Amino acid sequence: GAVVSQHPSWVICKSGTSVKIECRSLDFQATTMFWYRQFPKQSLMLMATSNEGSKATYEQGVEKDKFLINHASLTLSTLTVTSAHPEDSSFYICSVWGRSMNTEAFFGQGTRLTVV
Amino acid sequence: DAKTTQPPSMDCAEGRAANLPCNHSTISGNEYVYWYRQIHSQGPQYIIHGLKNNETNEMASLIITEDRKSSTLILPHATLRDTAVYYCIANSGYALNFGKGTSLLVTP
Repeated sequence: GAVVSQHPSWVICKSGTSVKIECRSLDFQATTMFWYRQFPKQSLMLMATSNEGSKATYEQGVEKDKFLINHASLTLSTLTVTSAHPEDSSFYICSVWGRSMNTEAFFGQGTRLTVV
Repeated sequence: DAKTTQPPSMDCAEGRAANLPCNHSTISGNEYVYWYRQIHSQGPQYIIHGLKNNETNEMASLIITEDRKSSTLILPHATLRDTAVYYCIANSGYALNFGKGTSLLVTP
């Protein structure tokens, strides 16, 4: 069964509005979650690291005021795309590491965001 | 993470073994070799990972050279559903950094 659940699977929004994407760890508590973005025909790019109870860490070039991350519990992280523009249209994916170092990372099914 | 190099694309006939190579010549001692695949419009799916020894699971086998500078993912009997982009990643336990991967096309 799924270890990481992402919601919604797809969303269409108007320019200027905000969209929230949820990532839930179903099998275990995750103090750290990762958010990726993938544009068409490109690879996944790490956007930010979501830390439970503290501020997220953003990769260079990712605007923290535009991509708000909240990790309020050990099983839920949310990514809010604020004031969305068409160029924010992308595939957003979250990830959670397994319980120990020698395990794999689990990925959500992704959220396809289209800004019109 | 150490940089990995993979061929951009490969073809494989259905039912045959698919051997996907990966170079990671600068891999450090504490970095594992991970393999993931991504089918169109889905999140990456874990396949296998290893440190030094060869590994096998229900999906694939991972062969790591003795010097750990390269590895090969083997899908023993490829099916059409194995068509995907395959990513080889060297990682020591933090966020996975994805390269461009190998686009594997399994043909009837």
